[in-house]
Amino acid sequence: DGGITQSPKYLFRKEGQNVTLSCEQNLNHDAMYWYRQDPGQGLRLIYYSQIVNDFQKGDIAEGYSVSREKKESFPLTVTSAQKNPTAFYLCASSIGYRGLNTEAFFGQGTRLTVV
Amino acid sequence: AQKVTQAQTEISVVEKEDVTLDCVYETRDTTYYLFWYKQPPSGELVFLIRRNSFDEQNEISGRYSWNFQKSTSSFNFTITASQVVDSAVYFCALWVSGNQFYFGTGTSLTVIP
Repeated sequence: DGGITQSPKYLFRKEGQNVTLSCEQNLNHDAMYWYRQDPGQGLRLIYYSQIVNDFQKGDIAEGYSVSREKKESFPLTVTSAQKNPTAFYLCASSIGYRGLNTEAFFGQGTRLTVV
Repeated sequence: AQKVTQAQTEISVVEKEDVTLDCVYETRDTTYYLFWYKQPPSGELVFLIRRNSFDEQNEISGRYSWNFQKSTSSFNFTITASQVVDSAVYFCALWVSGNQFYFGTGTSLTVIP
């Protein structure tokens, strides 16, 4: 089935460690996004990518890094510079080609906890 | 600048009541899209509807209906005869050229049996 797969579902990180969250899609979408959701809050954009080998910072990019080497994959690294990384992370994709729009399709999320 | 406001943080209704979730958006673009998503406790956002800025027709899908009014920059969502399964967080979102989605802060709906 077509969709977006995020892994792992739960992730625990020690302070000072970098961790990478995986996001893979088989929808042939050009655009991919990473959002952070804190309890009782909305979705805040971390990074987005409209095409392979290109990505832009969102509203809260500090302490995060991404890569887009393949169309299907958009991994997010939470670095030790992110002071408060405990949150729910959602990956999404959409057609995003030349201004075309469809809805964004979301993965099931990764819940990251710093221990 | 783009912005989506969902002023209702939490709503509780008794089963079978109707409920309306409000969404107000801001954008200077003339071409844009509006969305509603449902987030059940499992966490994944489920797409409900997409509407472009040139189509102000209201839409009904079963117990769900949406009222899009450009004059008031609103895109409200009504659930008729609510059910316990409707309990979730609902997000309104705006998409404009530049390929970025802007989400509201969400409305948490609890339907009491």
